[in-house]
Amino acid sequence: SYELTQPPSVSVSPGQTASITCSGDKLGDKHVCWYQQKPGQSPVLVIHQDAKRPSGIPERFSGSNSGNTATLTISGTQAMDGADYYCQAWDSSTYVFGTGTKVNIL
Amino acid sequence: EEQLLESGGGFVQPGGSLRLSCAASGFTFSNYAMNWVRQAPGKGLEWVSAISYSGDRTYFADSVKGRFTISRDNSKSTLYLQMNSLRVEDTAVYYCAKEFEGFYPWGQGTLVTVSS
Repeated sequence: SYELTQPPSVSVSPGQTASITCSGDKLGDKHVCWYQQKPGQSPVLVIHQDAKRPSGIPERFSGSNSGNTATLTISGTQAMDGADYYCQAWDSSTYVFGTGTKVNIL
Repeated sequence: EEQLLESGGGFVQPGGSLRLSCAASGFTFSNYAMNWVRQAPGKGLEWVSAISYSGDRTYFADSVKGRFTISRDNSKSTLYLQMNSLRVEDTAVYYCAKEFEGFYPWGQGTLVTVSS
């Protein structure tokens, strides 16, 4: 079955840039979504179709996808961005979520 | 405002059954595919099942195939997940989500606990 691998955690200081990777075989051939989940809350879509931001998502969130790696970038990270982040893709008639990355704001 | 509200969770013994419901409002339910996603306590997200807008196509994760059934009633704007032969490892918060260029919105989730 298809697997998406993310680093368990990423630490970033306020105002700096956080990059979260998502790795999977030929992932660049698929469309990737990213979700943010804060403790006790439901996930929120922050990026779809690799790099598109839904309405209401701040411009500091951006995405890219090429080769075997998709990347979510948070520029000018704010304290409110501390959360778990999950990538997602569709493969062989199933959706797959990444292993998840906890973003720690220092 | 688009909203999803899950219900039907609870405590069940291994081998038992539960039916989850997801009531949709604020959008034309019959126009969209819908999904169920679960999250075990302290763990990551796991996709469970999807159904096409008309209900004629369904998809399942290998972990639930043959045990879970997904259905929808477009006249009631409601999505269902019938869960049979439940296992301890099915314990999780179950979310429903509308599918269109990603999953948005998500419901608040309903907790299913499978334990003896």
